[in-house]
Amino acid sequence: DQQVKQNSPSLSVQEGRISILNCDYTNSMFDYFLWYKKYPAEGPTFLISISSIKDKNEDGRFTVFLNKSAKHLSLHIVPSQPGDSAVYFCAAADNNDMRFGAGTRLTVKP
Amino acid sequence: NAGVTQTPKFRVLKTGQSMTLLCAQDMNHEYMYWYRQDPGMGLRLIHYSVGEGTTAKGEVPDGYNVSRLKKQNFLLGLESAAPSQTSVYFCASSLGTVLRGTEAFFGQGTRLTVV
Repeated sequence: DQQVKQNSPSLSVQEGRISILNCDYTNSMFDYFLWYKKYPAEGPTFLISISSIKDKNEDGRFTVFLNKSAKHLSLHIVPSQPGDSAVYFCAAADNNDMRFGAGTRLTVKP
Repeated sequence: NAGVTQTPKFRVLKTGQSMTLLCAQDMNHEYMYWYRQDPGMGLRLIHYSVGEGTTAKGEVPDGYNVSRLKKQNFLLGLESAAPSQTSVYFCASSLGTVLRGTEAFFGQGTRLTVV
């Protein structure tokens, strides 16, 4: 069973606009959430994380929002740049387990 | 600074053959992990280690074995490869447990095809 779901396999946005990537989870025990970015032929790289005690965490152009009641998190990239084109994975963790979503391929067009 | 290095990058195996994937990290990390990535699915944890000499099962451990004889190395073994093990394998390491939000550093991946 997929406990972490990224329902949009792909997303295309124009350079300079906002990119919003969504992630839903089913296990209410998850209390840490992470986003990783992956370029082709490379391993994933850490982007940003958030603890369940917060509802927002910001790092430069990247902001993660957490809605615990809806079991939903999102990653906002503002402004989007062509170099942001990659596959983005969300991950959710509790004390015993961490699960990844299937990823969303973001394409930022110049 | 090499970070996490996986060997080999590509491999084709025949069904029933065995092989070992090597992961090496130079960051003195305690935690190491092996994941597999398949189309339409996220990364799934195969086995992990919380320190030298320790290993534990992850989400999909069947058909794999691991060893952590040295802190910097984490080996993943396939004793009798099956086509279902065709995948991209990623090794990762972290200073603390990723379950508490610590970032993991990933290798570049090994693409394994079992025919």
